[in-house]
Amino acid sequence: DAGVTQSPTHLIKTRGQQVTLRCSPISGHKSVSWYQQVLGQGPQFIFQYYEKEERGRGNFPDRFSARQFPNYSSELNVNALLLGDSALYLCASSGQGRNQPQHFGDGTRLSIL
Amino acid sequence: AQKITQTQPGMFVQEKEAVTLDCTYDTSDPSYGLFWYKQPSSGEMIFLIYQGSYDQQNATEGRYSLNFQKARKSANLVISASQLGDSAMYFCAMRPTGEYGNKLVFGAGTILRVKS
Repeated sequence: DAGVTQSPTHLIKTRGQQVTLRCSPISGHKSVSWYQQVLGQGPQFIFQYYEKEERGRGNFPDRFSARQFPNYSSELNVNALLLGDSALYLCASSGQGRNQPQHFGDGTRLSIL
Repeated sequence: AQKITQTQPGMFVQEKEAVTLDCTYDTSDPSYGLFWYKQPSSGEMIFLIYQGSYDQQNATEGRYSLNFQKARKSANLVISASQLGDSAMYFCAMRPTGEYGNKLVFGAGTILRVKS
């Protein structure tokens, strides 16, 4: 079975631009979460979606938005990019149940020039 | 607010020996889940082991075991018989209760280097 897939793997943008990152969860998983991992730090929670509804939002500005589609795939959008948005963006999916782990994709490495 | 503390920025271990990676957490929630993930230099986050706050026994998964001491709020990862492929960053994470299951709070991580 395919794991969590993310695209693109790498992306270079300039300040002020907008970016869209994509994620396909493991088949059967309805929950998708997004994390930002700045170099040298642990991942920080951005969003969680379940059944196309936002179920959680981390401490990120409104420039960050996301959505989930009927097939449970998800997109993360970031507007007005800043240098500080340079990071590894990780998507994770999980099955139902409190003890279900999140399974992560390989991430999208975003560099802002 | 929930918080994870990993006090060891880096650890070295000799191949075939055991190593313990420390993790302490802070929460007022009665129910929570604790996870350990491995992140090699390539970047992917690999799930290793899970411990629920109400689980009576310490979790084990192959060479990985979790030393869970609830009163001390610690959830240390023990890796037995270390291998060169274990060299990676290791993150401890907590899922608070009340959330719909999926928000994880991560620690800063511990870099493990296995020496031959």
